[in-house]
Amino acid sequence: NAGVTQTPKFQVLKTGQSMTLQCAQDMNHEYMSWYRQDPGMGLRLIHYSVGAGITDQGEVPNGYNVSRSTTEDFPLRLLSAAPSQTSVYFCASSRTQGNTEAFFGQGTRLTVV
Amino acid sequence: AQSVTQPDIHITVSEGASLELRCNYSYGATPYLFWYVQSPGQGLQLLLKYFSGDTLVQGIKGFEAEFKRSQSSFNLRKPSVHWSDAAEYFCAVGAREYGNKLVFGAGTILRVKS
Repeated sequence: NAGVTQTPKFQVLKTGQSMTLQCAQDMNHEYMSWYRQDPGMGLRLIHYSVGAGITDQGEVPNGYNVSRSTTEDFPLRLLSAAPSQTSVYFCASSRTQGNTEAFFGQGTRLTVV
Repeated sequence: AQSVTQPDIHITVSEGASLELRCNYSYGATPYLFWYVQSPGQGLQLLLKYFSGDTLVQGIKGFEAEFKRSQSSFNLRKPSVHWSDAAEYFCAVGAREYGNKLVFGAGTILRVKS
């Protein structure tokens, strides 16, 4: 019973590099989302998706792209990494958008130097 | 704009003592609320949730929370803390009127001393 799987767990990037954070869920959830967690700021929503082919921006979308070609996968792409994107990234899924429990991945700790 | 405030960044309690973590929200609509716990290096785990009905909700690990609409609060409580409760706790709030996007508080780090 995998739940929400994120890879990689740790990553170091140089400024200007691009990369994709992977997220997969095996619960057939419609709703998936990406958050970043910074000290003293809680979790902030980057992008979300209410189903395959549908994505939308959250609170802090700049510098990130997402796509949702399947129900299971929701990758997050950093287009040109900046030190301000150093953070811990969490992917979450829930059955629907709204008052249902969100299940979180283990997180990806990203450092941009 | 919607906001969630957890006034205490750090709290230290003795093992066996009672605990209350505060959460206040500012929403112009009827919210639903969650408490999540994060152990070091881990993802977030749901402790409990309030959608409607009885304002006192029970969760896992002996936690409970009370929704007080008049005070815009959803405080988390536990009568007797265990050393394994040391973690970071997040309050999260959403509302249909705001697109059901969850807004998280900044978190409260709980330390338990023996």
